[in-house]
Amino acid sequence: DAGVTQSPTHLIKTRGQQVTLRCSPKSGHDTVSWYQQALGQGPQFIFQYYEEEERQRGNFPDRFSGHQFPNYSSELNVNALLLGDSALYLCASSLGASQGDQPQHFGDGTRLSIL
Amino acid sequence: DAKTTQPTSMDCAEGRAANLPCNHSTISGNEYVYWYRQIHSQGPQYIIHGLKNNETNEMASLIITEDRKSSTLILPHATLRDTAVYYCIVRVGSGNTPLVFGKGTRLSVIA
Repeated sequence: DAGVTQSPTHLIKTRGQQVTLRCSPKSGHDTVSWYQQALGQGPQFIFQYYEEEERQRGNFPDRFSGHQFPNYSSELNVNALLLGDSALYLCASSLGASQGDQPQHFGDGTRLSIL
Repeated sequence: DAKTTQPTSMDCAEGRAANLPCNHSTISGNEYVYWYRQIHSQGPQYIIHGLKNNETNEMASLIITEDRKSSTLILPHATLRDTAVYYCIVRVGSGNTPLVFGKGTRLSVIA
């Protein structure tokens, strides 16, 4: 049973560029959440996708956007990259709200470095 | 902001029980206590969660006080591979509720 998979594992970009990160949820999960983890900090919630729509959003600017596909996989897009966007980007999957109390399960993340 | 308070760091001898405390004095009646850990360079790993009863699984035990204002995660026989940052999180019980992480407790298991 495959867990949450993310690609790529590492990425280097320069300021002003755009980046797309990808996530495949755990088998049977239909909800994908994205988190940003700066060095030495706990992860911070960016947004969540369920039924191909953004359902909840944390305190992140519009430069951060996403998409969910019919197979429940998801993408995170970041435009106009800033040095401060350097971080580990984590994807977590879970069952939908109708399933009641359910933990989220994380992938190992994409390490994004901005030069 | 995180609704929990944890010690910044703890040490534990290999083979001994590791007891990690967490304070959550403002927890609401419909909020669960979740524990995750993050080993260096990996994503957070779900450990256990509970509402008001004590819980045990193959990884750990969770002890929640009767007033639910604090809890303790117990790793019964710590190994070097348990060295990680442990996060205690309170969260409404729903698969879609975002997790709010604090800074966690850095547990070092020492040989």
